[in-house]
Amino acid sequence: DTAVSQTPKYLVTQMGNDKSIKCEQNLGHDTMYWYKQDSKKFLKIMFSYNNKELIINETVPNRFSPKSPDKAHLNLHINSLELGDSAVYFCASSHGQPETQYFGPGTRLLVL
Amino acid sequence: AQSVSQHNHHVILSEAASLELGCNYSYGGTVNLFWYVQYPGQHLQLLLKYFSGDPLVKGIKGFEAEFIKSKFSFNLRKPSVQWSDTAEYFCAVNPNNNDMRFGAGTRLTVKP
Repeated sequence: DTAVSQTPKYLVTQMGNDKSIKCEQNLGHDTMYWYKQDSKKFLKIMFSYNNKELIINETVPNRFSPKSPDKAHLNLHINSLELGDSAVYFCASSHGQPETQYFGPGTRLLVL
Repeated sequence: AQSVSQHNHHVILSEAASLELGCNYSYGGTVNLFWYVQYPGQHLQLLLKYFSGDPLVKGIKGFEAEFIKSKFSFNLRKPSVQWSDTAEYFCAVNPNNNDMRFGAGTRLTVKP
C-alpha cells in the first residue's frame, strides 16, 4: 500500500494555464505539507495543513493555493502558471510536529 | 538568518571509502534533527533522526549521525559506502517544534 500518493506523476502544460496536483495519505496523519524542489535539488516548504488549518505559508505567490477536503488529502492548485513554476512538487505527511515526515513520489511539473 | 548548512555540494567516493557529510544549523533552543536520502528519480526517505537521548544515532543501511550540541552539528557517517548509496542527502532541522527546514542537499556519487 502506498503511504503518500500524488497524481499526476508528470505534468506538462502551457504558461497561463491552471492546474492541480492531488495528494493523499493513508497513514492517519494529521499534518500534510507541500514542498517545491528546484532544478538544483533545493527543497523548500510551501504549505502545511493541520486539521484543515493552514499553519505556515512561506513566501509563496498567491497563485498557489492548498485545498484540504479532509485530513487525508491536501491538493495544490496553481493558477496562471509561469515558467519558473517548473519543478518537482512533493507532498508529505506527519503525525503532528516534529515527527518524521513521509514523502510522496513527487510530481514533475514542466511549464512551457 | 537562521539556516541549515550542508557544506559539501557534491562528494565523489570510491566503493568501500568512508563517508562523512557535514550539517550545521543556526537555530537555538530545542531542535529535532533528520537526515533524508533521495535516490535518483525517487522521493525522500528517512535515514535517521535525533530527538533526544544518545547523541550518536544509528539509522538504516549502516548510516549513523552524531549530534554535537556545542558545534550545532549533525554530521552523517558511513564507514564503507557502496555504489547503491549514490543519492542526494538532505539534512533537516525542526527547530522548536516548528516547520522543517532542509539543507541544500549533498550529492553523493560512489564509483564502483
